[in-house]
Amino acid sequence: DTAVSQTPKYLVTQMGNDKSIKCEQNLGHDTMYWYKQDSKKFLKIMFSYNNKELIINETVPNRFSPKSPDKAHLNLHINSLELGDSAVYFCASSSTSLTQYFGPGTRLTVL
Amino acid sequence: KQEVTQIPAALSVPEGENLVLNCSFTDSAIYNLQWFRQDPGKGLTSLLLIQSSQREQTSGRLNASLDKSSGRSTLYIAASQPGDSATYLCAVLKAAGNKLTFGGGTRVLVKP
Repeated sequence: DTAVSQTPKYLVTQMGNDKSIKCEQNLGHDTMYWYKQDSKKFLKIMFSYNNKELIINETVPNRFSPKSPDKAHLNLHINSLELGDSAVYFCASSSTSLTQYFGPGTRLTVL
Repeated sequence: KQEVTQIPAALSVPEGENLVLNCSFTDSAIYNLQWFRQDPGKGLTSLLLIQSSQREQTSGRLNASLDKSSGRSTLYIAASQPGDSATYLCAVLKAAGNKLTFGGGTRVLVKP
């Protein structure tokens, strides 16, 4: 009965590769988010989708492309991975402007 | 641009002592403020949400206050327990939008 789930939990890959992280929520929320938590534990928003439409895009490199096939899913595709992309990526969801519920995170390590 | 600061960055207390965690934000035009807990290697768990029109929220041993005009929120945890050891994050939601801006967190250690 997981509310917000992400796959994979861990991802180790080489520089230059392309990878995807998937997120699903079963809460019936209409808004989903991607956050990045860097090595200093600072959490920053990357993207937000409302009803499958992009509403927040925070100066993230074009190599990052979110895709929302439906309201319950928000996937993150990353092209040409760089060392600096290593971080924990969190997916979250909410009903508009209310409590955000976070997934368990995906720890990405780029070698 | 909204900036959220949490002081101290780390805190160590003996079991039973009350915890006081501070959060300040630069732009008072917020919709709400949330306190989260993050355990090592885990996701975030929402603890309390205070709407901009509210002054405080309580849940069990937790009490969060909000002073929007001065840009401050305080999370009080009464009678701390070792299980309270975690990182506590505050985040503000910008008015009329969904952008949640986080502070750097306060890492709490409660010693038995």
